Amino acid sequence: NAGVMQNPRHLVRRRGQEARLRCSPMKGHSHVYWYRQLPEEGLKFMVYLQKENIIDESGMPKERFSAEFPKEGPSILRIQQVVRGDSAAYFCASSPLMNTGELFFGEGSRLTVL
Amino acid sequence: KNEVEQSPQNLTAQEGEFITINCSYSVGISALHWLQQHPGGGIVSLFMLSSGKKKHGRLIATINIQEKHSSLHITASHPRDSAVYICAGPEETSGSRLTFGEGTQLTVNP
Repeated sequence: NAGVMQNPRHLVRRRGQEARLRCSPMKGHSHVYWYRQLPEEGLKFMVYLQKENIIDESGMPKERFSAEFPKEGPSILRIQQVVRGDSAAYFCASSPLMNTGELFFGEGSRLTVL
Repeated sequence: KNEVEQSPQNLTAQEGEFITINCSYSVGISALHWLQQHPGGGIVSLFMLSSGKKKHGRLIATINIQEKHSSLHITASHPRDSAVYICAGPEETSGSRLTFGEGTQLTVNP
């Protein structure tokens, strides 16, 4: 039973490009959470999704950021027109239960915006 | 909104020492998470606990729901325990949103 898989592990983008980060939850998990860790800062909640539904996106910036968790395939965090301030580590976690039951984290995707 | 505070922020120990990291939170919660993060690495969930004590190898986590306090203990510490330890609890108005402490940077010297 593979753990939470995130890819790419490292992504470099130039300002204005798009970044797509993917997260495959653990088998049997239908709850996915995305968190962001800015350099030298703590983790911050971004969005909580279940299959085909966004449950809570209160931590997502209002513009340029979107997330989805389709019926088939991984969850995707999409950042349009990236800026230098988007450079961060983005972590995905999955859970078999709602409301942050036991969480399993991925290795993270580190985005660098040049 | 739940505020989560950890202490100490930084901790240096000699190999073999007993280590304690503390976590306090401002609102009542049903469960608390302890996480471990190595430099440049991923996050590992160590414990989720809602009462009492849990033990895994040399790691022990305790929680006192009434006092809104949790501790993470490491017995017989080892240099490979060097990492950032983070506690996290759900926000008061939403169990789906975790609030994270700032983390405790632990360095264990040989």
